[in-house]
Amino acid sequence: SAVISQKPSRDICQRGTSLTIQCQVDSQVTMMFWYRQQPGQSLTLIATANQGSEATYESGFVIDKFPISRPNLTFSTLTVSNMSPEDSSIYLCSVGAGLNYGYTFGSGTRLTVV
Amino acid sequence: AQSVAQPEDQVNVAEGNPLTVKCTYSVSGNPYLFWYVQYPNRGLQFLLKYITGDNLVKGSYGFEAEFNKSQTSFHLKKPSALVSDSALYFCAVRDRSNYQLIWGAGTKLIIKP
Repeated sequence: SAVISQKPSRDICQRGTSLTIQCQVDSQVTMMFWYRQQPGQSLTLIATANQGSEATYESGFVIDKFPISRPNLTFSTLTVSNMSPEDSSIYLCSVGAGLNYGYTFGSGTRLTVV
Repeated sequence: AQSVAQPEDQVNVAEGNPLTVKCTYSVSGNPYLFWYVQYPNRGLQFLLKYITGDNLVKGSYGFEAEFNKSQTSFHLKKPSALVSDSALYFCAVRDRSNYQLIWGAGTKLIIKP
């Protein structure tokens, strides 16, 4: 299965600033997913990022707040813009490895906005 | 609407006893079913999946799950629990018509020595 390197692992940011989270995959993958997770709770899908096209955002998430880049088949970034304390959460990237395989996750970015 | 239910927020089991973490789903057609585990301050790790074939699926760390189509369930089981199994467990289902996973709320598994 694919191996994902996600950076940073954690950060403490001032409100009003932006943070860019990076995910590097060791193999080419078509689809990448970005999730948000409150500690101890379930995952909420933010968007699906396909190479060469704009990301598809889920209800409640907008591109101005969470811009995503997908410049190639091994890399993607998620930016959390104009942060507020409500954005404090764990952000996870994920890739699918084909229809018959499970999904692999990055180790997550724990974001605290103060 | 597609959904996944994990009816238990927490499951407590004594070390050495069998454990079961429950999952039921609602999705049109035949689903892909997954179990993931999340240890504290860690990302999600894939445990096992059901795609097709044998209803009993064996996965990592001695876990297994049984797909029951009539009951729309995919319960996670292990014959003998270890303290190190204590973690947060998520069931997920993927509709075969798209690539997105539908996640359960998670079940916290606590194994007591």
